[in-house]
Amino acid sequence: GEDVEQSLFLSVREGDSSVINCTYTDSSSTYLYWYKQEPGAGLQLLTYIFSNMDMKQDQRLTVLLNKKDKHLSLRIADTQTGDSAIYFCAEMWDSGGGADGLTFGKGTHLIIQP
Amino acid sequence: GAVVSQHPSRVICKSGTSVKIECRSLDFQATTMFWYRQFPKQSLMLMATSNEGSKATYEQGVEKDKFLINHASLTLSTLTVTSAHPEDSSFYICSARLPPRGGTYNEQFFGPGTRLTVL
Repeated sequence: GEDVEQSLFLSVREGDSSVINCTYTDSSSTYLYWYKQEPGAGLQLLTYIFSNMDMKQDQRLTVLLNKKDKHLSLRIADTQTGDSAIYFCAEMWDSGGGADGLTFGKGTHLIIQP
Repeated sequence: GAVVSQHPSRVICKSGTSVKIECRSLDFQATTMFWYRQFPKQSLMLMATSNEGSKATYEQGVEKDKFLINHASLTLSTLTVTSAHPEDSSFYICSARLPPRGGTYNEQFFGPGTRLTVL
């Protein structure tokens, strides 16, 4: 079945850029998402990219998609303490018959060092 | 690794009936479970946060009388869609969170989802 992989932890210094990576296996993916989860809260959609795009930028966030390698990354510029959270990569795939599925990675815990 | 199951995986019902969806953490205890809804071609929407032994916390715009959540044990949360209508047709996903172990990192595991179709 579909599989989405992420590293569990990433530690960066405040002010540096953070790059969170994700790989997926399903070639029928349509959309790819990045969600943020702060302590005690549910998922918050950060950004998403269509599978026919290579890059999307939204303020401090840059999403890069390498469809050939099935690799997705999220870059956070000028990382701040408020960026400390768990970041989930998710892949929407077409299961056929008009039904879409969604597969999540296990999440990457972004730790900010002062 | 930790596994979260949902049952049923797919359900078709008539308008006006109620449907119950179960979310189970199979090999760990989850004090907190989340229920999400995915609209076709759109991203996930958080519906409610379910804590074992207490009332669920619903997100703004989610009707608590229509979407009943019960988190009766540390391994089971249920979502009941009451008096379902075609606009309730959607993909419902639950997630279960491990209790914190020392540090602040809380691993979260997602169920495979339940496809609800209301005719």
